[in-house]
Amino acid sequence: GEDVEQSLFLSVREGDSSVINCTYTDSSSTYLYWYKQEPGAGLQLLTYIFSNMDMKQDQRLTVLLNKKDKHLSLRIADTQTGDSAIYFCAESMGTYKYIFGTGTRLKVLA
Amino acid sequence: GAVVSQHPSRVICKSGTSVKIECRSLDFQATTMFWYRQFPKQSLMLMATSNEGSKATYEQGVEKDKFLINHASLTLSTLTVTSAHPEDSSFYICSARADTQIYEQYFGPGTRLTVT
Repeated sequence: GEDVEQSLFLSVREGDSSVINCTYTDSSSTYLYWYKQEPGAGLQLLTYIFSNMDMKQDQRLTVLLNKKDKHLSLRIADTQTGDSAIYFCAESMGTYKYIFGTGTRLKVLA
Repeated sequence: GAVVSQHPSRVICKSGTSVKIECRSLDFQATTMFWYRQFPKQSLMLMATSNEGSKATYEQGVEKDKFLINHASLTLSTLTVTSAHPEDSSFYICSARADTQIYEQYFGPGTRLTVT
């Protein structure tokens, strides 16, 4: 199957870390992505990880991949109010088409 | 680099009319583009894969005669919603895959279609 699940909401205080989780079902995924969508806008690529990696860090962002459990997470350190948005994980299949997760709405409280 | 534009950003049309949405890769060539549909507070649903110079590949359940896709050049794909109905109202987003980086897609800002 091609299901990618995320929790719907996450609320954190400014300065805290945010962890957004994603589970997927297709073990043949080649790349896994994290995108950010602000209201009324398109998607902004935040980071991606190749399926043979366990972790990738890029400034405030840390991606962890557990292939055995088919679990992907995005940690945002020192979360800011500007990080409030919807975050989508996506997996890329062999045909290079993306399957998107259900999206997590992150709200950062000042 | 890697900018994708969409035009128009918003469009309102009457039931029964057709609407064309353009997707352009501004600074790279894209043999492959994708069209997505997003309902309010929902995820993106892939509608079709657009290939330059050939017919688009539609996902299951997407009517190819209703959503016409033309990928006439390496930088332009168009989606035409024919005989639009209110249930076609949605946010349509395109993405383009650079020929030199096949694992990344760059997304346009989206087009809000409202059918009255």
